[in-house]
Amino acid sequence: AQSVTQLDSQVPVFEEAPVELRCNYSSSVSVYLFWYVQYPNQGLQLLLKYLSGSTLVKGINGFEAEFNKSQTSFHLRKPSVHISDTAEYFCAVSDGDDKIIFGKGTRLHILP
Amino acid sequence: GAVVSQHPSRVICKSGTSVKIECRSLDFQATTMFWYRQFPKQSLMLMATSNEGSKATYEQGVEKDKFLINHASLTLSTLTVTSAHPEDSSFYICSARWTSLETQYFGPGTRLLVL
Repeated sequence: AQSVTQLDSQVPVFEEAPVELRCNYSSSVSVYLFWYVQYPNQGLQLLLKYLSGSTLVKGINGFEAEFNKSQTSFHLRKPSVHISDTAEYFCAVSDGDDKIIFGKGTRLHILP
Repeated sequence: GAVVSQHPSRVICKSGTSVKIECRSLDFQATTMFWYRQFPKQSLMLMATSNEGSKATYEQGVEKDKFLINHASLTLSTLTVTSAHPEDSSFYICSARWTSLETQYFGPGTRLLVL
């Protein structure tokens, strides 16, 4: 069975500082990995996805993530955050079948 | 990117009534649509998967007679919450895709409040 662990429920970071949101997954088969962002009272927006190929994936809004198979991780990073990055971030995994399994989310707080 | 809309964005209803939520793919044909439920400050939980023209597949623990899903066309799926109760109050989000290899695109969500 697949699962996703986001260890940090909240991450505070100062504006213009770098940030890393951690995600670990477990799966017995090949995986597809995703990061989604959810702004207050809105649906989910895809930030980036890893399907195959290069392990460093670049997404929208300056975010990137690196797939590490040996550590079963897919951490999300941004070198300099902005106040508009305040949101909930969800890591998700799929084996290519219908289901996407979501992590519990990490709330990113940008401090002025 | 692909656009998915939901209507209404929020709805308040009385206990015992039924509420219909629409999910539309605006610029692509969605062979598969998904319905999720999100409780406050929690993750999304998949309720059911619907393929156009066939019956929806419900996740364990989701009552199919209470949450009626119809996917009558390639651009529209509906979720009807029948005989709604206050515990059905939640944020309902749909997503859609057109092939099994494609990413799911999410709607903006519908906030349901049952009084």
